[in-house]
Amino acid sequence: DSGVTQTPKHLITATGQRVTLRCSPRSGDLSVYWYQQSLDQGLQFLIHYYNGEERAKGNILERFSAQQFPDLHSELNLSSLELGDSALYFCASSVVSGTGEKLFFGSGTQLSVL
Amino acid sequence: AQKVTQAQTEISVVEKEDVTLDCVYETRDTTYYLFWYKQPPSGELVFLIRRNSFDEQNEISGRYSWNFQKSTSSFNFTITASQVVDSAVYFCALSGDVWSNFGNEKLTFGTGTRLTIIP
Repeated sequence: DSGVTQTPKHLITATGQRVTLRCSPRSGDLSVYWYQQSLDQGLQFLIHYYNGEERAKGNILERFSAQQFPDLHSELNLSSLELGDSALYFCASSVVSGTGEKLFFGSGTQLSVL
Repeated sequence: AQKVTQAQTEISVVEKEDVTLDCVYETRDTTYYLFWYKQPPSGELVFLIRRNSFDEQNEISGRYSWNFQKSTSSFNFTITASQVVDSAVYFCALSGDVWSNFGNEKLTFGTGTRLTIIP
């Protein structure tokens, strides 16, 4: 158990809908990262937050947004969902924000868009 | 741009055999970190090792060993005396410049190698 909690584990929704994925980092970790794992794109970095502030953006669509709250949990919001958004979404956390930090990954949220 | 190539899509070996997973990377950074993560059938990503580009010394942890060769931009992973529990997808990953400013903490992952250990 990595200590990173992601909810829900599975999410089935329809095209055009909006969903929110939640991540609770390990106790004491200030950094939260979101990654998307899909069959065609593999594991792609989406966004990184450190202590409530956005630090880096990767290949994140404009339809997607994220935030980190004062209690350090994070939410990834996906809107106007398309079939291609179906993927496993991982959250990871680390103590600090530095290149090369060891990341602790949650079990992921499997999103299926029908 | 950074790139990680894991040319072996799938490997199957019989239990107790040794197996090596290849990883080749591309980066313009002079300093960086390399990682291996394991994704068992349950789906989570499990950290295995981190190696910085300063240190080319090979590392051994139990049945696992890693061979880092900067000259060939490779960071290969060997499992000795494989076990059924080693069956998983293994990802090699690369970080950005160690000395960069904040904002470069993302990992670039390879496409993974699915390892199946046959009992």
